[in-house]
Amino acid sequence: DAGVIQSPRHEVTEMGQEVTLRCKPISGHNSLFWYRQTMMRGLELLIYFNNNVPIDDSGMPEDRFSAKMPNASFSTLKIQPSEPRDSAVYFCASSPGAQVDEQFFGPGTRLTVL
Amino acid sequence: AQSVTQLDSQVPVFEEAPVELRCNYSSSVSVYLFWYVQYPNQGLQLLLKYLSGSTLVKGINGFEAEFNKSQTSFHLRKPSVHISDTAEYFCALNTGTASKLTFGTGTRLQVTL
Repeated sequence: DAGVIQSPRHEVTEMGQEVTLRCKPISGHNSLFWYRQTMMRGLELLIYFNNNVPIDDSGMPEDRFSAKMPNASFSTLKIQPSEPRDSAVYFCASSPGAQVDEQFFGPGTRLTVL
Repeated sequence: AQSVTQLDSQVPVFEEAPVELRCNYSSSVSVYLFWYVQYPNQGLQLLLKYLSGSTLVKGINGFEAEFNKSQTSFHLRKPSVHISDTAEYFCALNTGTASKLTFGTGTRLQVTL
């Protein structure tokens, strides 16, 4: 299995631009998670889905952030408009779906907003 | 609400020395505990997990952890570290009521010659 796939691996954009991060979970996994990692705040859970349905989006920082999971094999995290404080590494993770289960992380997308 | 505390933000250690990375948790319900490792510029990967049964859990790369309910701890240990163990280590818990994990702030293990 290829593991969790994220694209792009690096993104540099200017303030005000729209940014879309993409994630392909491991086939057969029913839960998908989006995290943000920064030096200041560490690892934060932004949102997670079970069976393509958003379950908890309480970690989404503000309305500029949105996430979708149109099908079991694809999810996007969108920031519009982007701001310099959004600069971070964004991770996607998936798990088989049982309530207590290991999460498998992707390699992350390093976002820099100038 | 539950929480995970990793008091040591950095732990320097010489190669071949033993190491312990501390993790304490707080929860009003039963917990399931995990240790993840993050190598530079990579995502997190599972080292070991405690779900039930024996409180001593063995993981990959020679690491082990012991679940201590009375101390609310899940410390990670390795008897002899290698340079390649230099990484960030995260402790996490799940209460079984939802899929999400609660992570600690991480401990950076720096192994030197």
